[in-house]
Amino acid sequence: QVQLVESGGGVFQPGRSVRVSCAASGFIFSSYAMHWVRQAPGKGLEWVSLISYDGSNGYYADSVKGRFTVSRDNSKNTLYLEMNGLRPEDTGVYYCAKEGGDDPFEYWGQGTLVTVSS
Amino acid sequence: SHELTQPPSVSVSPGQTATITCSGDALPRKFAYWYQQKSGQAPVLVIYEDRKRPSGIPERFSASSSGTTATLIISGAHVDDEADYYCFSRDINDNHRGFFGSGTKVTVL
Repeated sequence: QVQLVESGGGVFQPGRSVRVSCAASGFIFSSYAMHWVRQAPGKGLEWVSLISYDGSNGYYADSVKGRFTVSRDNSKNTLYLEMNGLRPEDTGVYYCAKEGGDDPFEYWGQGTLVTVSS
Repeated sequence: SHELTQPPSVSVSPGQTATITCSGDALPRKFAYWYQQKSGQAPVLVIYEDRKRPSGIPERFSASSSGTTATLIISGAHVDDEADYYCFSRDINDNHRGFFGSGTKVTVL
């Protein structure tokens, strides 16, 4: 079965950097685009980023463009989100999600909480 | 900017009909998708491509889209339908980017 397991969350100071990861299993990881979606505490969903199946192209929400970088290692079945220049408004649960056919977010991980606070 | 606007909350009695709207300039050209999110859980797709229902989703969930407004309808709402509902669409200028609506809390009581 498809499993997506995020890790790397924690408490970070504003301006610092962090990389969160998403370990994938149960499907051919290298064949699918992958998303990052975040959710601030008590708030709505926000699409953050998409990376193509081969890692050649990344796309970003305006709110993170220039600060966040999405990447993947298909040999390790792992997706990454490098977050630089963290801001308090980046606080939230970060979910990775597998792009599907009819469903843009066919499978979701359980999320990892990133808290940006001094 | 690309925004999808939803009402913050909708209340419905069990067995009645709940209607949730999603308004955005991209919707005449881009499909709307609807996700249900229960507390502490990952979202689940309930409608794709404006009006199609995935297998396993009850028939009481239906949807339509006209002009700049997409609409999700829950006919004969169950207590179990109480959740947050989000619309989603692709960016009108870049199909690789997307946006969620602001979310609607549906209360069934």
